[in-house]
Order: sequence, then C-alpha cells, then structure tokens
Amino acid sequence: DTGVSQDPRHKITKRGQNVTFRCDPISEHNRLYWYRQTLGQGPEFLTYFQNEAQLEKSRLLSDRFSAERPKGSFSTLEIQRTEQGDSAMYLCASRTTGSNEKLFFGSGTQLSVL
Amino acid sequence: DQQVKQNSPSLSVQEGRISILNCDYTNSMFDYFLWYKKYPAEGPTFLISISSIKDKNEDGRFTVFLNKSAKHLSLHIVPSQPGDSAVYFCAASATGNTGKLIFGQGTTLQVKP
Repeated sequence: DTGVSQDPRHKITKRGQNVTFRCDPISEHNRLYWYRQTLGQGPEFLTYFQNEAQLEKSRLLSDRFSAERPKGSFSTLEIQRTEQGDSAMYLCASRTTGSNEKLFFGSGTQLSVL
Repeated sequence: DQQVKQNSPSLSVQEGRISILNCDYTNSMFDYFLWYKKYPAEGPTFLISISSIKDKNEDGRFTVFLNKSAKHLSLHIVPSQPGDSAVYFCAASATGNTGKLIFGQGTTLQVKP
C-alpha cells in the first residue's frame, strides 16, 4: 500500500493560465474522488469516478474544470482560465466499492493563483 | 446548506486531560460517520468511524459517541497528548450515496504540554 499520490504538491500560476493536477490512487481502489479545501473550511466534494466512469459532479465544478480517469487508474483534474477564487488545496481520495468504507486521501495540491 | 456542522472552530486543552470535539448533522439519511485528523500541508487522515446502528465506538485513546435522536456526535480523546494538536474534521455519508463524504468545517485542537 503506497497510499494516494498527488502531483504537484504546490502550483503557483497566473490568472488566466491552465493548470493540470494528477492523482494516483491506491492500486486496488476503483473509486476516486476529488475534493477542494479552502482556508477555514472542510473539504468540499467536486467529483468522483468509479473505474473510468465519472458518475457525479458537484455544482461547484464549473465548466472551466474537467476531470478524467481514462484507464480507471490515475486521474487528472484540469482548470482552464484560472481565477484567483480557484486558489485552494485540491485533494484526491480513493476507496473500494464496499459500503461504509473510509476514504484515503493524498497530501493534496496547493494551488495559488496570482 | 451546511449538512455537517462543527460549531467550535478551536479547542485548547492541557496535556493529559480529555478533549471533546462536537459535530452536528441535519440529514437524517446519513448512516455512517467518520473523524479525520489533518496536519498543515497534508491530506486528512482517517481516525475513527461509527455506523448509525451503534452509539459508541472505541479505539485506544479515541472514542466516538453517536446520538441519533439529537443528530449529534462527539469525539473524545483521553488522555490528550501534544501530538494530537491538529485540525479535526467530522464527516458523514449515506448508504447508496456514491460513498462521498460530507465534511464539517473542522475544529483546531491545541494540546498544551
């Protein structure tokens, strides 16, 4: 069990630029989740995949955000035309399909939009 | 609407004493509850969980209590240690609801030596 891995750990970008984050879940986990956390708040659900299928998207996920999990393994989250309000920690988590299973989180990608 | 609420942003306790962190929820469909611990610049780490069919779950120094009628749960840490200083998040999920967790805002615990 190597844990959930996220890359990069930190990203500083200028407003209007596109950014892409990568998440490698625990290998036997078929469910993968993206969350966003801002200062003073708990993680907020963005979207989730079961294998390669994206099954739910939060209304927080505007059309500038897109997530993929092309082969049911790693996932990418892309933000186009970044805005200062996108500055946050982006967390990836994974779990198995069974009921009442906890989520395992990665260390997150801290995005700062200048 | 905030379905999971942690109304105390911070808590300070003396080493060796009990820490009690509280959490309230509004959605009666929630049937599984978890506590996560988070250090700065790291992702949340699972601490302890409880199913709605139970009212107490214990794991070492950590005990979670669930009061379904009041839609309230609490995390007790006894004895508290300086290494417990972190942000604690309460989270809830509902069976059949994709497994996603809904988190509270967090409580920052400081344990003083």
